[in-house]
Amino acid sequence: AQTVTQSQPEMSVQEAETVTLSCTYDTSESDYYLFWYKQPPSRQMILVIRQEAYKQQNATENRFSVNFQKAAKSFSLKISDSQLGDAAMYFCAYHGGATNKLIFGTGTLLAVQP
Amino acid sequence: DSGVTQTPKHLITATGQRVTLRCSPRSGDLSVYWYQQSLDQGLQFLIQYYNGEERAKGNILERFSAQQFPDLHSELNLSSLELGDSALYFCASSVGGGMAGNTIYFGEGSWLTVV
Repeated sequence: AQTVTQSQPEMSVQEAETVTLSCTYDTSESDYYLFWYKQPPSRQMILVIRQEAYKQQNATENRFSVNFQKAAKSFSLKISDSQLGDAAMYFCAYHGGATNKLIFGTGTLLAVQP
Repeated sequence: DSGVTQTPKHLITATGQRVTLRCSPRSGDLSVYWYQQSLDQGLQFLIQYYNGEERAKGNILERFSAQQFPDLHSELNLSSLELGDSALYFCASSVGGGMAGNTIYFGEGSWLTVV
């Protein structure tokens, strides 16, 4: 069965600094996608970024980028120039071709210090 | 705004009761997913429907059921409610049903409190 692990329950970063959130996953599938979702205090789940496993190039969305290491099954999220509005719970998620469902990690709570 | 609409946003009910949560997917999306988020269980996949048919099943209790109607909206029925069913229930939608990688968009959730 596919699993997603986020080993950092909480992280903290200073405003304008860079922070990296870790995620590892386990799968035997070759076709899959990886996502990072943000859940602010409002509790809405907001898509931050997605990565196709067949692509070697790391995805980037403005200040958010990923470091995708397929062989190591690692998918970390880097937030540059952190802003107060980035404070939230961040979930890493896996979507495989056979599983047909989005499997989430346990989340990392990010605090941004002014 | 993701385009996924869930009602009600909040509800409080007593143990043993039954409630129905409603979801309208984004325009053009054929798949609807239901997730449960509780403090001790994290985000749990419950069930997926694609174009009216059940496509995938997760950790959904027998007391829970769901369906997707011809207009593609979906309802999650929770019966014989227990205190432990208190959670945030998310509906999500995507264009496709079976392909990995369809981006899944979430609604704002329905807060259920069982007292």
